[in-house]
Order: sequence, then structure tokens, then C-alpha cells
Amino acid sequence: DAGVTQSPTHLIKTRGQQVTLRCSPKSGHDTVSWYQQALGQGPQFIFQYYEEEERQRGNFPDRFSGHQFPNYSSELNVNALLLGDSALYLCASSLSLGADTQYFGPGTRLTVL
Amino acid sequence: AQSVTQPDIHITVSEGASLELRCNYSYGATPYLFWYVQSPGQGLQLLLKYFSGDTLVQGIKGFEAEFKRSQSSFNLRKPSVHWSDAAEYFCAVGFNAGNNRKLIWGLGTSLAVNP
Repeated sequence: DAGVTQSPTHLIKTRGQQVTLRCSPKSGHDTVSWYQQALGQGPQFIFQYYEEEERQRGNFPDRFSGHQFPNYSSELNVNALLLGDSALYLCASSLSLGADTQYFGPGTRLTVL
Repeated sequence: AQSVTQPDIHITVSEGASLELRCNYSYGATPYLFWYVQSPGQGLQLLLKYFSGDTLVQGIKGFEAEFKRSQSSFNLRKPSVHWSDAAEYFCAVGFNAGNNRKLIWGLGTSLAVNP
């Protein structure tokens, strides 16, 4: 049973560029959440997707957007990259929107130069 | 407002020693409680969780945690630490927000293990 997978593992971009990160949830899970984790910090909630719609959103600007596909996989898009966007981006999946437990992928390390 | 506090930013223990990592929360009702572990450069792995019932919960890798309602705490313990336990540990609190669950995270405790 595959867990949560994310791609790519690492990514280097320059300021102003755009980036797309991808996530495949754990088998049987239909809800995907995205988190940003800066170095030495805890995860910060970006948003959550269920039934291809954004259901919750944290305190992140509109430069951060997402999408969920019919197969429940998800993308995180960040436009107009800033140096401060450098972080580990974590995807988590759960059994349903109201499920209690989230399972995390290994993350994508984004470096903005 | 809901919050999670991990009072210890960094802890160092000797291999074989016992360990207790503290977590306190602020929430009006009984929340859902989690401990996750993160090795360097890795994602978060669920160690254990508490939803209801027995207040002492067992997790993976020999960890356990005890929910104490009177102290609003959910401390993580391990009787004998192994060098491979060196990692970052996060406490998280989940609660209902309408039809959704929200997770609030502590800032983490970094554990170093001396040989």
C-alpha cells in the first residue's frame, strides 16, 4: 500500500518564477492538505482540497493556489516566487474531509534564489 | 484561541535514558491529540494519537503519551531512548471547525541523543 508521494523531491527556482508541486494521496484517501514548513519551524497550513474544491485555507496569499484532480491527486502552485517561499512543502492526505488523522508525504524542498 | 505549546525547544539525552517531551494545549473541549516525528529533511511520521478512551496511548517505536485533561497536557514518553530517536518532534491538536477538522501545531522539540 503506497503512502503519500510527492514530486519532485528538490527544486531550485529564482525569484519571480512559478512552481508546481505534486502530491498523490495514500490509497483510499480523498482529502489532501498542503503545508509549508520553513527551516526550524513547524508546519503552516496552506489549504485543503476535497471533491476537487478548496475547503479550507490558511493565511497565505493568492500567489498560492492549488488543484485537485478526479483521482484525488493534487497540485500546489506558487506564482511570483519570493525568497521567503523557500521551505519544505508537505502534502498530507486523510480518509475524508472530517477525518481525524493526516498522513504526510516526504515533502518537496523548494529553494528560491 | 486554540494554541499548542511545546515548552522545550531542544532536549539532549543519553542513549538508554528515559525521555519526556512536553505538550500543552489551549482549547475549550477535548481535542484530538497527535505526536509526529520528523527526521532531518523528511516528512512527518505519526507516532500516536488520542481521540477518546484510555488516556494512556501506545504508539510506534516504543513511544507512549498520556492525556491529562486537568493539566491540558499530552506529554510524550519513552523509557529508553535509542540513537535513532534523534529527530524533531511535533505535537498537534485537532479540533472541529464547522464540517472540517483543523490542526494546530506546536513549534517542535529537537531531540539529540548522546552515545
